[in-house]
Amino acid sequence: KQEVTQIPAALSVPEGENLVLNCSFTDSAIYNLQWFRQDPGKGLTSLLLIQSSQREQTSGRLNASLDKSSGRSTLYIAASQPGDSATYLCAVLYNTDKLIFGTGTRLQVFP
Amino acid sequence: DTGVSQNPRHKITKRGQNVTFRCDPISEHNRLYWYRQTLGQGPEFLTYFQNEAQLEKSRLLSDRFSAERPKGSFSTLEIQRTEQGDSAMYLCASSFMGGAEKLFFGSGTQLSVL
Repeated sequence: KQEVTQIPAALSVPEGENLVLNCSFTDSAIYNLQWFRQDPGKGLTSLLLIQSSQREQTSGRLNASLDKSSGRSTLYIAASQPGDSATYLCAVLYNTDKLIFGTGTRLQVFP
Repeated sequence: DTGVSQNPRHKITKRGQNVTFRCDPISEHNRLYWYRQTLGQGPEFLTYFQNEAQLEKSRLLSDRFSAERPKGSFSTLEIQRTEQGDSAMYLCASSFMGGAEKLFFGSGTQLSVL
């Protein structure tokens, strides 16, 4: 069964810290992996997409890495800000059909 | 193009009533997906279309649920005889097959069944 797991489930940190969010998946035959941000009661905003042939992607203070062989991805957030507070979801695409989501990491960054 | 649009944003209904949601994807996208999300969980796949063809339906989609995409553009999701367990956020997403397969999500429709 294809499953996606995210650790930790919740994280609370002071402003300015560098963070690492973890995602693991059981089936390494992925097509791509996406990281999303979700604010309370809102839809999903795509942050980064890593193709199966890639090792990492960067956008501003965000860096996502992918290790297919170990079934892991990490999202690194540098110099966290209160505006980064949200739920971060990892999702894996298999066979170009549908995304399988993790349950998310709820992040709170306090001033 | 302003992205994926979903209507209504919120829907409150009584148990047993029928509800219908609409999704307008990004215009050049040929794939459209419906997901359901309950509090504290990640989105769960319900169904998806390629153009007007419904290619896959999840076992989560009981016979009270039906989705259509009649002209390969907008889609509707109907729930008949709603139950309290149907209360959730219903999310629509679209993508272009043959591209990077990046999904773009709408803001969702929050359904509350009383």
